[in-house]
Amino acid sequence: DAKTTQPPSMDCAEGRAANLPCNHSTISGNEYVYWYRQIHSQGPQYIIHGLKNNETNEMASLIITEDRKSSTLILPHATLRDTAVYYCIVRLPNFGNEKLTFGTGTRLTIIP
Amino acid sequence: SAVISQKPSRDICQRGTSLTIQCQVDSQVTMMFWYRQQPGQSLTLIATANQGSEATYESGFVIDKFPISRPNLTFSTLTVSNMSPEDSSIYLCSVVEERGLNQPQHFGDGTRLSIL
Repeated sequence: DAKTTQPPSMDCAEGRAANLPCNHSTISGNEYVYWYRQIHSQGPQYIIHGLKNNETNEMASLIITEDRKSSTLILPHATLRDTAVYYCIVRLPNFGNEKLTFGTGTRLTIIP
Repeated sequence: SAVISQKPSRDICQRGTSLTIQCQVDSQVTMMFWYRQQPGQSLTLIATANQGSEATYESGFVIDKFPISRPNLTFSTLTVSNMSPEDSSIYLCSVVEERGLNQPQHFGDGTRLSIL
C-alpha cells in the first residue's frame, strides 16, 4: 500500500470548515483513499473513502486532486466533537487487502 | 454498520499473567482483525482472525504471545500471554462485513490494558 504524509497537528475555529490535507504521491491507480478518525478513548471511526471523484457524505467531503497524489478531507462546520486524530490511509479495495496500515495522523483541535 | 463490543473495557494486570480479551459482533462478519495501540502511538495490526483456522500474524507478532481464536462469524478472542509492562496498550478489534466490495473497517472501543 502507498504511504501517506499528514501534518501532525492543526487547529480550527468552531463553526468554520476544517480542511485536512494528505499527501499520497506514490498511490497506484487502483488504490482508494480512506479517512478515519479517532476520538479520545474510542476506536477509530470510518469517515469516507474515494478513488478519483470527489465524495460527500453526512460527515465530510473528500477532494482528491486530478493526479491523485493528494487529497483533502473537509469538515464543513467543525464542532468541538470533531476534535480527534484523523488518519488518511490508502489501500487496494479488493479481496485480500482489507487490512489497514495506520500512519501517525493529524491531531485536529477545534477551538471554541 | 456492525456493533462491536469488547470485554473487558480496561484491566490492570500483574506481570507474568495472561488476559483474554473478547470481541463480540451483533451480526455475522467476514473478517475480524486485532490491533494494538501503544501509549501515544498509532494503531498496529497484530493479526487477522480466521474462522476455523489459525490466525494470520503480522511481522513482529507470534502466536505464542498473542493466541487468537475465532470459533464463528460473530466472535473472536485475543489472549495476551505472560504479560510485561511493555504490553501496556489499547487492544482493538475491528471487522469487515463483506470482503472486497471496498467495505470499510469498523472498530470496537478497545481494551485498555495496564501491566504492573
